Amino acid sequence: EAGVTQFPSHSVIEKGQTVTLRCDPISGHDNLYWYRRVMGKEIKFLLHFVKESKQDESGMPNNRFLAERTGGTYSTLKVQPAELEDSGVYFCASSQDLRAETQYFGPGTRLLVL
Amino acid sequence: GNSVTQMEGPVTLSEEAFLTINCTYTATGYPSLFWYVQYPGEGLQLLLKATKADDKGSNKGFEATYRKETTSFHLEKGSVQVSDSAVYFCALKTQGGSEKLVFGKGTKLTVNP
Repeated sequence: EAGVTQFPSHSVIEKGQTVTLRCDPISGHDNLYWYRRVMGKEIKFLLHFVKESKQDESGMPNNRFLAERTGGTYSTLKVQPAELEDSGVYFCASSQDLRAETQYFGPGTRLLVL
Repeated sequence: GNSVTQMEGPVTLSEEAFLTINCTYTATGYPSLFWYVQYPGEGLQLLLKATKADDKGSNKGFEATYRKETTSFHLEKGSVQVSDSAVYFCALKTQGGSEKLVFGKGTKLTVNP
């Protein structure tokens, strides 16, 4: 069974540009999470989807970030316009249902904003 | 609010040395506790977990015991190998509330032959 996949693995963009990150969860997993690790700091929660609905988006830093999960399958996270402080590693995770304790993580997308 | 504090790294050990990585937490209620590991070039993997006080999680020779009285979940391994070199993250998830994980800053472990 395929794990959580993320694309791209790396992205280098200039300040002011737009970047879209994609996450494909494990098939059949209703729950999808986005997290971010800024250099040297904690991995921080961004938001949580249950199927196509946003269950908790309390960690989204500002309105430059837009997450979608059309059809309840893959998810995208768009940053527009990107700022220097958005640099970091963006992780996606999925879990089967809310009783599931284990979240399965993807390899992450390393974003560098110059 | 909920938070996790883990020992600052990096930690460098020789093969077969004993490993302890300290982790303490602050949480409302009774959280579930986790250790995740990130090997070089890979994503986060669940290493072990414990869901209630006095539970011991174990995997690949690593152990951690959920200590409610000291709000701790220290990671230990009796004899580390070069292949254990990775970044280790302690995390918690509160029961009945948000499903989000709250992580510590991570501890980078390097094991030399």
